[in-house]
Amino acid sequence: DAKTTQPTSMDCAEGRAANLPCNHSTISGNEYVYWYRQIHSQGPQYIIHGLKNNETNEMASLIITEDRKSSTLILPHATLRDTAVYYCIVRLGNTPLVFGKGTRLSVIA
Amino acid sequence: SQTIHQWPATLVQPVGSPLSLECTVEGTSNPNLYWYRQAAGRGLQLLFYSVGIGQISSEVPQNLSASRPQDRQFILSSKKLLLSDSGFYLCAWSEGSGANVLTFGAGSRLTVL
Repeated sequence: DAKTTQPTSMDCAEGRAANLPCNHSTISGNEYVYWYRQIHSQGPQYIIHGLKNNETNEMASLIITEDRKSSTLILPHATLRDTAVYYCIVRLGNTPLVFGKGTRLSVIA
Repeated sequence: SQTIHQWPATLVQPVGSPLSLECTVEGTSNPNLYWYRQAAGRGLQLLFYSVGIGQISSEVPQNLSASRPQDRQFILSSKKLLLSDSGFYLCAWSEGSGANVLTFGAGSRLTVL
């Protein structure tokens, strides 16, 4: 079972920041938070992951609360190509990823 | 660099026919390998994973099976397909140790008629 809770869907205007929340209140101390996205009819694509500290890469930023019970994925300037289902996953070590239902993000022109 | 290949990309099969989907990874050794399935309108379900040759863990009881005959080859099979086997099958790999990223293949879309 997925250990995360995400909104079913969100809309975002093109060019604006998309902030996708995720609750993981039962996360354990050595579990990482991973974010993937799946564009229609494609395989999931890795975005970012983190343990305690905030992380940033060329795709997105990951903000993890101090108590680690929630996190937010930030796409700084959303484009139409960012329309996808975004999955927040907590994962221990190298165990298999268990996907939940994710958030369907629609970027609107 | 590492690459993952899945084939066939699309498959239409009659009920009761056999199935073989193949996945290979290049540019790495001793990867962890995974098979996921996504039924129409549903989420991704982990089917099998493997941490080494001949080592297969099954997550969901079903009429599918997986084999790993070589280090970088993962095969998903069925002797007799059911209508409910239709879906989008995804192979993925990760490095064999540490908190590593899963990289997915392009997927194989199976329609059972």
